Amino acid sequence: GEDVEQSLFLSVREGDSSVINCTYTDSSSTYLYWYKQEPGAGLQLLTYIFSNMDMKQDQRLTVLLNKKDKHLSLRIADTQTGDSAIYFCAEGAYDGGSYIPTFGRGTSLIVHP
Amino acid sequence: NAGVTQTPKFQVLKTGQSMTLQCAQDMNHEYMSWYRQDPGMGLRLIHYSVGAGITDQGEVPNGYNVSRSTTEDFPLRLLSAAPSQTSVYFCASRKKIGRLSGAFFGQGTRLTVV
Repeated sequence: GEDVEQSLFLSVREGDSSVINCTYTDSSSTYLYWYKQEPGAGLQLLTYIFSNMDMKQDQRLTVLLNKKDKHLSLRIADTQTGDSAIYFCAEGAYDGGSYIPTFGRGTSLIVHP
Repeated sequence: NAGVTQTPKFQVLKTGQSMTLQCAQDMNHEYMSWYRQDPGMGLRLIHYSVGAGITDQGEVPNGYNVSRSTTEDFPLRLLSAAPSQTSVYFCASRKKIGRLSGAFFGQGTRLTVV
């Protein structure tokens, strides 16, 4: 079955770049997502990437995809204290019917002033 | 505001009690799902629905029931609460077409079973 792995914690200084990594096992994955969960809140979609893309940039966010290694990363430039949250990687494949993504365990990003 | 609404936000149950977690969305989304979030476990799928009248089991369905009588509502029922069901529960919805939008999540229900 599918499996999505993430490191559990990342600590950075304000102003530095943060890189959150994720690996997945399902080679048929067609969509890969990054969600952000702030304390006590639900999840919000940050960005996504198609499996046929290598990179996607959206303001401070850069997503890199290495399909060969099934490795996905999220880079946050100029990290701010407001970026402190849990970041979930999710992947999914369309099976012709339902489509429910599989989530990683989440990476807690702690930003120090 | 449009979105996914979950109620209640907090709940404490005694072992053996039953209750229903409510989830409603006003975006006319076909797909709805329930997840539980436990420390270090990420999100695990409990049940999901691809449309009114259609439900299916996810990864951890035992002890939970769902129904989808309308497009808008997708309640999750705990039949006989157990301490192992202490968790944060999230309801999510998304359109059948347009996976680019990802899923919309509710604010979560924090459930404690004592």
